[in-house]
Amino acid sequence: TQLLEQSPQFLSIQEGENLTVYCNSSSVFSSLQWYRQEPGEGPVLLVTVVTGGEVKKLKRLTFQFGDARKDSSLHITAAQPGDTGLYLCAGAGSGGGADGLTFGKGTHLIIQP
Amino acid sequence: DVKVTQSSRYLVKRTGEKVFLECVQDMDHENMFWYRQDPGLGLRLIYFSYDVKMKEKGDIPEGYSVSREKKERFSLILESASTNQTSMYLCASSFLGGRRKTQYFGPGTRLLVL
Repeated sequence: TQLLEQSPQFLSIQEGENLTVYCNSSSVFSSLQWYRQEPGEGPVLLVTVVTGGEVKKLKRLTFQFGDARKDSSLHITAAQPGDTGLYLCAGAGSGGGADGLTFGKGTHLIIQP
Repeated sequence: DVKVTQSSRYLVKRTGEKVFLECVQDMDHENMFWYRQDPGLGLRLIYFSYDVKMKEKGDIPEGYSVSREKKERFSLILESASTNQTSMYLCASSFLGGRRKTQYFGPGTRLLVL
């Protein structure tokens, strides 16, 4: 069974600060997705990373996939209140087929004005 | 833009009722999934389907069934709703094959069983 551990579970910081969220596993994933979810809504895809060592940027958000494709990080620069939400990482297995993603339990992020 | 829609945003049902949750996607995706999301437990896979009329059990299929009569539509059925099925239900879809396996989610249905 593949597991994804996210840390921290909860994070509350002031507007303008930087933060990093981690997603770790002992398993290798063929790809890893990051989602943001707001209360009462479905997760919205932020990025998919596929190649070990890959770095993707989305405005103030920087995503990195570990060299061994077992872990990932999300770094937010100068956090804004609009970044508040639940951040989920999800890994896809290496096999083919339609099996579901393995999800971390999420990081609840609150950015205080 | 990928669009996944779910038939209801909120539902209130009574114990023992039969409940239908419907999901439609417009991206011609082969794969469709049903998850439930509960505080502290994260997202758990109930069922998935990789083709019309095909279905596979996920991690927690007990008390649920599914139907996929058309490629774009995937229904989740609670045969006899129970209070422990109160949850947020999320539908997702993705292309079959490839390495990315990115899933796109609907807005969710918050179900309360009384």
